[in-house]
Amino acid sequence: GAVVSQHPSWVICKSGTSVKIECRSLDFQATTMFWYRQFPKQSLMLMATSNEGSKATYEQGVEKDKFLINHASLTLSTLTVTSAHPEDSSFYICSALRPLTQGTDTQYFGPGTRLTVL
Amino acid sequence: GQSLEQPSEVTAVEGAIVQINCTYQTSGFYGLSWYQQHDGGAPTFLSYNGLDGLEETGRFSSFLSRSDSYGYLLLQELQMKDSASYFCAVSYRDDKIIFGKGTRLHILP
Repeated sequence: GAVVSQHPSWVICKSGTSVKIECRSLDFQATTMFWYRQFPKQSLMLMATSNEGSKATYEQGVEKDKFLINHASLTLSTLTVTSAHPEDSSFYICSALRPLTQGTDTQYFGPGTRLTVL
Repeated sequence: GQSLEQPSEVTAVEGAIVQINCTYQTSGFYGLSWYQQHDGGAPTFLSYNGLDGLEETGRFSSFLSRSDSYGYLLLQELQMKDSASYFCAVSYRDDKIIFGKGTRLHILP
């Protein structure tokens, strides 16, 4: 199946620092990637849609200046959590959209990045 | 608004069959997907229903009724490794996916 990687898999940082998370589609080109956040024992919440070569589209309630998204190539999207605070500690998961043979697209998820802000 | 409802927890016995239901209220519906997530891991895609009816993939089947805004995931011949959370998710025409809150499946030996 399709492979999507994330780096780093986990990160611990001090409050006030910025953290960059990379999402790569390894065996297909993805014009569209998505970023999700998942708190413990909760569902995945869509944060933003990342489109290659254009600005990301953020969901309601997600601060675009705090969660910077860059989709500079067809295989790489990055999420930067700026001035991170303890409440930003979460599991961040990206996905990449890939067309299926039957004509529908599906999302392939990365393994996730666990962020802990001290 | 958008909402998806699925049971929070289901318990079944190894070797048995279990059905996880999902109802949704949403506009712009395109299809219903199911994902499996083990503790600490990322979701993995299980199935997609764009049309009414049953889709079968090995031990897993998924059903959709668009007129009833209802779908289910059927797991047969349950194995201990199937213990996980299962999410139904609505797909939209702009490729977005909105996830339900998940069903925690406990399997007893």
